[in-house]
Amino acid sequence: EVQLVESGGGLVQPGGSLRLSCAASGFILSNYCMSWVRQAPGKGLEWVANINQDGSEKYYVDSVKGRFTISRDNAKNSVFLQMNSPRGEDTAVYYCAREESHYDSSGATKYHLAQWGQGTLVTVSS
Amino acid sequence: AIQMTQSPSSLSASVGDRVTITCRASQGIRNDLDWYQQKPGKAPKLLIYVASSLESGVPSRFSGSGSGTDFTLTISSLQPEDVATYYCLQDYNYPRTFGQGTKVEIK
Repeated sequence: EVQLVESGGGLVQPGGSLRLSCAASGFILSNYCMSWVRQAPGKGLEWVANINQDGSEKYYVDSVKGRFTISRDNAKNSVFLQMNSPRGEDTAVYYCAREESHYDSSGATKYHLAQWGQGTLVTVSS
Repeated sequence: AIQMTQSPSSLSASVGDRVTITCRASQGIRNDLDWYQQKPGKAPKLLIYVASSLESGVPSRFSGSGSGTDFTLTISSLQPEDVATYYCLQDYNYPRTFGQGTKVEIK
């Protein structure tokens, strides 16, 4: 059974740092791209970052560029989100998600978020 | 970044009704669009990918259509368990962007 379990959330002060982890089981992590998605309290979903299978390609939403870093350790079946200098607006439940590929109408390989963890809450407050 | 606009923001319908949710992209995105369902207190769940492909295990009353800038999610016969918020997501380019969500309730 595919499982994604996030951990590392909690209370962090503005300007501090926090590292989120996503433990993967039931599949070979090195075969999949992975994403982080967040949801502020009472708000909608926001895609945050993703990383390709070997960690050589990473993409971020503009609001976290230069502050957050996505990484992975395939040998340890884990994906991480290092949050530096967090702000109040980063308060959210953070989900990790496994991406699966498909072909779009042009024949390009694209990805959908097929499996999700249950999320971990990050609260940024002094 | 590509903006995704969903309508309506919320709707209330009766069991058995046909429900339609639309998603409009600020530029053409081919058919690079997914639909997700999120029930209260739960993680999102994939329903539809590449605009019209039904994810395995998702009931056939859910369907998706569209390409370019205009997309539709249809629930052919609304069931009580479909109460949720529905989101579209474009994966045409980075950063990926979600619509603001459509909350579906039972009348």
